[in-house]
Amino acid sequence: GAGVSQSPRYKVAKRGQDVALRCDPISGHVSLFWYQQALGQGPEFLTYFQNEAQLDKSGLPSDRFFAERPEGSVSTLKIQRTQQEDSAVYLCASSLTASNYGYTFGSGTRLTVV
Amino acid sequence: GENVEQHPSTLSVQEGDSAVIKCTYSDSASNYFPWYKQELGKGPQLIIDIRSNVGEKKDQRIAVTLNKTAKHFSLHITETQPEDSAVYFCAPTPYNNNDMRFGAGTRLTVKP
Repeated sequence: GAGVSQSPRYKVAKRGQDVALRCDPISGHVSLFWYQQALGQGPEFLTYFQNEAQLDKSGLPSDRFFAERPEGSVSTLKIQRTQQEDSAVYLCASSLTASNYGYTFGSGTRLTVV
Repeated sequence: GENVEQHPSTLSVQEGDSAVIKCTYSDSASNYFPWYKQELGKGPQLIIDIRSNVGEKKDQRIAVTLNKTAKHFSLHITETQPEDSAVYFCAPTPYNNNDMRFGAGTRLTVKP
């Protein structure tokens, strides 16, 4: 596609529920990033893939967060046993090369945990 | 780690006026300096960037200036228009670093 596509756009989850957020990067983009953006704040890094390899997961806040990109294209961010503090916008970005130059962000998934 | 601050946190200008947003950082290894624009309900969009071997870059109404010695860089928007209203983020980063550190953002409002 022409841009980075994320689904769903909005997700309401009950506390304790598992959720899965999907990212379709721009076709051919090598690098894929997940960020978490709390209300009124800048995006915060979660994890980074180069093709199918997860090279950096230092930003994942707990072991309840898990990300995968099995075929080097679509990526899924999974959050287990959601808690209220997980409420945020989850942004996916991709770039053509293995660098942070020229990120293209998706519109994000707004997760609300009630 | 990188400590990033943006000033001001909110900025209101009249259409046609200029706007300047400043970003200060702490990591002397930073050598890539992008600015992102985020409109409501959308993801951040890269609008201009500069690398540390360049002091200034201009693209039509927007420009970025870098003072690496003082560890700050600024976004300049001239002849502002209502569609410039958005939240702007800086993200100073060592080039090829996976972990981009964004500032807290500056909300710019351009009044018609």
